[in-house]
Amino acid sequence: TQLLEQSPQFLSIQEGENLTVYCNSSSVFSSLQWYRQEPGEGPVLLVTVVTGGEVKKLKRLTFQFGDARKDSSLHITAAQPGDTGLYLCAGVNAGETSGSRLTFGEGTQLTVNP
Amino acid sequence: DADVTQTPRNRITKTGKRIMLECSQTKGHDRMYWYRQDPGLGLRLIYYSFDVKDINKGEISDGYSVSRQAQAKFSLSLESAIPNQTALYFCATSDFGTPKQYFGPGTRLTVT
Repeated sequence: TQLLEQSPQFLSIQEGENLTVYCNSSSVFSSLQWYRQEPGEGPVLLVTVVTGGEVKKLKRLTFQFGDARKDSSLHITAAQPGDTGLYLCAGVNAGETSGSRLTFGEGTQLTVNP
Repeated sequence: DADVTQTPRNRITKTGKRIMLECSQTKGHDRMYWYRQDPGLGLRLIYYSFDVKDINKGEISDGYSVSRQAQAKFSLSLESAIPNQTALYFCATSDFGTPKQYFGPGTRLTVT
């Protein structure tokens, strides 16, 4: 079983601060996704990174896939209260021919205080 | 209208009762999934189905069963509910060849 470990599990910061969330594994993934979940809703996909070393930006969010495709990070610049939510990383298992099954990390609960 | 719907949204039941959670989708996807979410544990896969005739166990299938009644419908059953099955349950769908999953709003199940 491939495992993904996220850190930190909880993060509470002030508006305007920067933060980084990490997603680590000893296993290689063919791609890695980041989802955001708000209370009472299901997770919603933010981004998929596929190539080792890939960096993607989504407004103030920067996602990076490690060179070895075993880890990823999410960096938020100048966090806003609207960024509050549960952030989940999910890996597509290498060798997964169907390309569909995901392994999820434990999640990082981010609270941005005004 | 939501693409992936789940019923009920909340359910409280007693130990030993049989309960069914239902999921419907209008996205036309062949692939459907059931997950449970517990605090600090992320989402764990219970069962998944790649088409109507294909059902597969996930990492935590014990105590659960599923039925794929049609391409659009995937139900999860707890034959005899127990308190440690108290959790948030999510249904998801995906299209062939892509790992992007679309989640329903979840069912909060409490077993007393």
